[in-house]
Amino acid sequence: GAVVSQHPSWVICKSGTSVKIECRSLDFQATTMFWYRQFPKQSLMLMATSNEGSKATYEQGVEKDKFLINHASLTLSTLTVTSAHPEDSSFYICSADPPDGRETQYFGPGTRLLVL
Amino acid sequence: QQQVKQSPQSLIVQKGGISIINCAYENTAFDYFPWYQQFPGKGPALLIAIRPDVSEKKEGRFTISFNKSAKQFSLHIMDSQPGDSATYFCAASKGAGNKLTFGGGTRVLVKP
Repeated sequence: GAVVSQHPSWVICKSGTSVKIECRSLDFQATTMFWYRQFPKQSLMLMATSNEGSKATYEQGVEKDKFLINHASLTLSTLTVTSAHPEDSSFYICSADPPDGRETQYFGPGTRLLVL
Repeated sequence: QQQVKQSPQSLIVQKGGISIINCAYENTAFDYFPWYQQFPGKGPALLIAIRPDVSEKKEGRFTISFNKSAKQFSLHIMDSQPGDSATYFCAASKGAGNKLTFGGGTRVLVKP
């Protein structure tokens, strides 16, 4: 099956710093990627849709200036959490949509962010 | 507004038993209904998916039943095994490659 990777797998940072998370589709090109956030024992909540070569589409309630998304190539999307605070601590998961009509999205392994 | 409601929140089943998880959706524009399995600290993995033009789909020990008129769908895990212990999420989208709306999740524990 298709593979989506994320880096780093976990990160600890101090409050006020920025953190960048990468999402890569390893064996297919993805014009669309999605970013989700998952708090402990909760479901996945879509944060934004990342489109290659254009601005991301953010879900209602998600601060676009705080969660910067860049989809500069067909295999890489990045999520930057700017001025991170403890309440941003969460599990961030990306998914990628293969362009060949396969009926699924492929999810990355997730990135655990802890803001101290 | 929670567009996909999932129940139960947790489930304990004996090895060899059947696990049944139910979901209901509100948006009639949804036309793709996948189920995902997630282990702690991992991303979700697709188990099985269905479109509303079929009422049932089976893949191995996993079966989706779909009731379009009731706007409900369910996952049956037959012959449950301890390795099936995980959190299961139903989801829905308008088209397979579009953004997914997830249910709240069901934590399944299969006792040996």
